Amino acid sequence: KQEVTQIPAALSVPEGENLVLNCSFTDSAIYNLQWFRQDPGKGLTSLLLIQSSQREQTSGRLNASLDKSSGRSTLYIAASQPGDSATYLCAVRFNTDKLIFGTGTRLQVFP
Amino acid sequence: GAGVSQSPSNKVTEKGKDVELRCDPISGHTALYWYRQSLGQGLEFLIYFQGNSAPDKSGLPSDRFSAERTGGSVSTLTIQRTQQEDSAVYLCASSLKRGTGELFFGEGSRLTVL
Repeated sequence: KQEVTQIPAALSVPEGENLVLNCSFTDSAIYNLQWFRQDPGKGLTSLLLIQSSQREQTSGRLNASLDKSSGRSTLYIAASQPGDSATYLCAVRFNTDKLIFGTGTRLQVFP
Repeated sequence: GAGVSQSPSNKVTEKGKDVELRCDPISGHTALYWYRQSLGQGLEFLIYFQGNSAPDKSGLPSDRFSAERTGGSVSTLTIQRTQQEDSAVYLCASSLKRGTGELFFGEGSRLTVL
């Protein structure tokens, strides 16, 4: 069964820390992996998309890596800020057209 | 449009009533997805449309759920004879490319069944 798992489920850190959020998936045959952010009561905002041929993508303070052989992706957030507080979702497109989502990591960054 | 637009943003209905949720994807996007997010749960795939191909309905939870996409653009998700367990946020997403495309989501339609 194709599954996506995210750990930790929740994380609370002081402002300024560098963070690593983890995503693991079964089945290394993937098209791509996408990281999203979801604020309470809102839709999902796309952060980074990594194609299966890529190893990492960067946008500002965010860096996402992909290791297909081990079935893992990490989202690195540098110099965290209170505005980064949200739920971060990892979604994997296996060899189908639909994305399978993890259950997310709820991040709180306090001043 | 500039982004994926969904309506209504909130819908409260009585058990047994039918509801329709609308999604207007980003202009030019050929792929359209519906997902459901129940309180405290992850996103559950419901249905996927790609161009003129037959939709992938494998995620629809029961025959009370149906969706259509007219003219390859706007989509409507219909839930008949709503039940309390249908209460959730229904999210729509669109993508420019099949397979490798980035998904963009709307703000969702929050459905509450009393």
